[in-house]
Amino acid sequence: AQSVTQLDSQVPVFEEAPVELRCNYSSSVSVYLFWYVQYPNQGLQLLLKYLSGSTLVKGINGFEAEFNKSQTSFHLRKPSVHISDTAEYFCAVSSSNYKLTFGKGTLLTVNP
Amino acid sequence: DGGITQSPKYLFRKEGQNVTLSCEQNLNHDAMYWYRQDPGQGLRLIYYSQIVNDFQKGDIAEGYSVSREKKESFPLTVTSAQKNPTAFYLCASSRAWNTEAFFGQGTRLTVV
Repeated sequence: AQSVTQLDSQVPVFEEAPVELRCNYSSSVSVYLFWYVQYPNQGLQLLLKYLSGSTLVKGINGFEAEFNKSQTSFHLRKPSVHISDTAEYFCAVSSSNYKLTFGKGTLLTVNP
Repeated sequence: DGGITQSPKYLFRKEGQNVTLSCEQNLNHDAMYWYRQDPGQGLRLIYYSQIVNDFQKGDIAEGYSVSREKKESFPLTVTSAQKNPTAFYLCASSRAWNTEAFFGQGTRLTVV
């Protein structure tokens, strides 16, 4: 069985501050990892993905994430956030049985 | 334009009635997914399909049914056996298990 744990349900930050959204996963097989963003009443959009290779992955809108196999983590970071980054962020894991599992989400609120 | 279309965006039904949510994709993707989203619960997997004429139960399949008769279509029926059907439903598709999933805009179902 595979699972995803997002350690913070809500993260409030001030504009231009750095942010880290934490994600841990568990799986008995090799997995691929994703971060998605959701704006209110919409579907999800892909921010970035880790499939193989370099453990530091860069995505859209200045976000990046680091895959750490020993700690089974895939934390999302941004060095300076904007008001427009306010949204819900989901970490997800996919395995070869096609099951795509999401965490419970982290609501990022950027305050002026 | 290529993408995933969910219809309708809002759906109201009386308690005890079955209702079918539509999901169509023109991305030529093999895999399709249905998720249910409730506040604070993240995305929970209902059913998924790797290929036409094949599908598997996800984590919360009870009270739901699906079919995959065509590659581009994966309708979800919410039956009267689903005890708490009011929720936001998201459909997704992917080319393979190790590629990103693309999401529709969702259907908000309200059962009164």
